[in-house]
Amino acid sequence: KAGVTQTPRYLIKTRGQQVTLSCSPISGHRSVSWYQQTPGQGLQFLFEYFSETQRNKGNFPGRFSGRQFSNSRSEMNVSTLELGDSALYLCASRQDYGYTFGSGTRLTVV
Amino acid sequence: GENVEQHPSTLSVQEGDSAVIKCTYSDSASNYFPWYKQELGKGPQLIIDIRSNVGEKKDQRIAVTLNKTAKHFSLHITETQPEDSAVYFCAATPGWGQNFVFGPGTRLSVLP
Repeated sequence: KAGVTQTPRYLIKTRGQQVTLSCSPISGHRSVSWYQQTPGQGLQFLFEYFSETQRNKGNFPGRFSGRQFSNSRSEMNVSTLELGDSALYLCASRQDYGYTFGSGTRLTVV
Repeated sequence: GENVEQHPSTLSVQEGDSAVIKCTYSDSASNYFPWYKQELGKGPQLIIDIRSNVGEKKDQRIAVTLNKTAKHFSLHITETQPEDSAVYFCAATPGWGQNFVFGPGTRLSVLP
């Protein structure tokens, strides 16, 4: 079966801009989570959506937001980008306990 | 909240030797402990997991042990091969519907 698909793979944005990242989960998975990965902070939890509702949220500022559609696809949005937002953003879906991760979107803020 | 520590941060072994990575967690409510392998340019891939009602689990060359009393769990890789070279992450979670807390990662290098 198809894995978790994230688009785009790479993005370069300027400070102050906003960005939207997309994630298509494994078919049948209703839970989608987002993580930020940086060399300094490791894997940090952003939020989780389940059946179009945000179920959990990590300790990130309100500039980070997300949503989930009825087909379980999810988007995350970052407004007013800062240099420190440069990271690999990983989406993961699950049906049971274990996550299946996508390959991530590498965001560079200049 | 949960805190997961992981050691060592880097590990180099000769091909064919064993590698052991250790993690400790703080929240006694955590009951699911997965291990992920991340290769360059890819997302983390689940390689093995264990639940709190089991002390050990093995899958070919990979095994995980859990000590609930001491709140630590370990990944054991035997007969290492160059393709085992990657960054390995441990994680802990209280269960379904809860997010994972990841350790900082271990960079494993298997030298031919």
